Amino acid sequence: NAGVTQTPKFRILKIGQSMTLQCAQDMNHNYMYWYRQDPGMGLKLIYYSVGAGITDKGEVPNGYNVSRSTTEDFPLRLELAAPSQTSVYFCASSPRRGESGYTFGSGTRLTVV
Amino acid sequence: AQSVSQHNHHVILSEAASLELGCNYSYGGTVNLFWYVQYPGQHLQLLLKYFSGDPLVKGIKGFEAEFIKSKFSFNLRKPSVQWSDTAEYFCALLGSYDKVIFGPGTSLSVIP
Repeated sequence: NAGVTQTPKFRILKIGQSMTLQCAQDMNHNYMYWYRQDPGMGLKLIYYSVGAGITDKGEVPNGYNVSRSTTEDFPLRLELAAPSQTSVYFCASSPRRGESGYTFGSGTRLTVV
Repeated sequence: AQSVSQHNHHVILSEAASLELGCNYSYGGTVNLFWYVQYPGQHLQLLLKYFSGDPLVKGIKGFEAEFIKSKFSFNLRKPSVQWSDTAEYFCALLGSYDKVIFGPGTSLSVIP
């Protein structure tokens, strides 16, 4: 069972560069989420989606964009990377509401220099 | 306002010691609460969850948590910790619009 797959695992970007963090799940979950994790800050929600074609902003959406063209995929786009976006990014999914708990991907560690 | 707070930033215990990690929440709706664990270098995994019913919830690896509504608390406990329990522990709340709100985390170090 693959679960939630994130790529890449590590990435170093220069300021102003763009990149897409990939997230795919094979559990047919409708709900998908992107979080960033910073030391001592817990996880902050960036964007989420309740189904294909539907996305919405979370707590910290500035500097990011998402799309959800299929149930399986939920890529996160950074358009103009800034040092403040240095973080660990986690994608998660759940079958319906979050009450069933999330399945997390293994994370992407991004450094912007 | 919806929020989750965790009392301790870093806890250090010897093996076989008992563990209690504090968690308090603020939320006006129906309460669904979780504890997640993140082992070093890994992703978060669900330890246990509370929806309703028995306020004492048992999870994996010998962990349990007690929901005390009057105290807005959901503390995590384990009678005897092992070195392999070294990890970061996150309390979380299912808030409005089906979004999970995470606490800042407690780092647990268990000394052999």
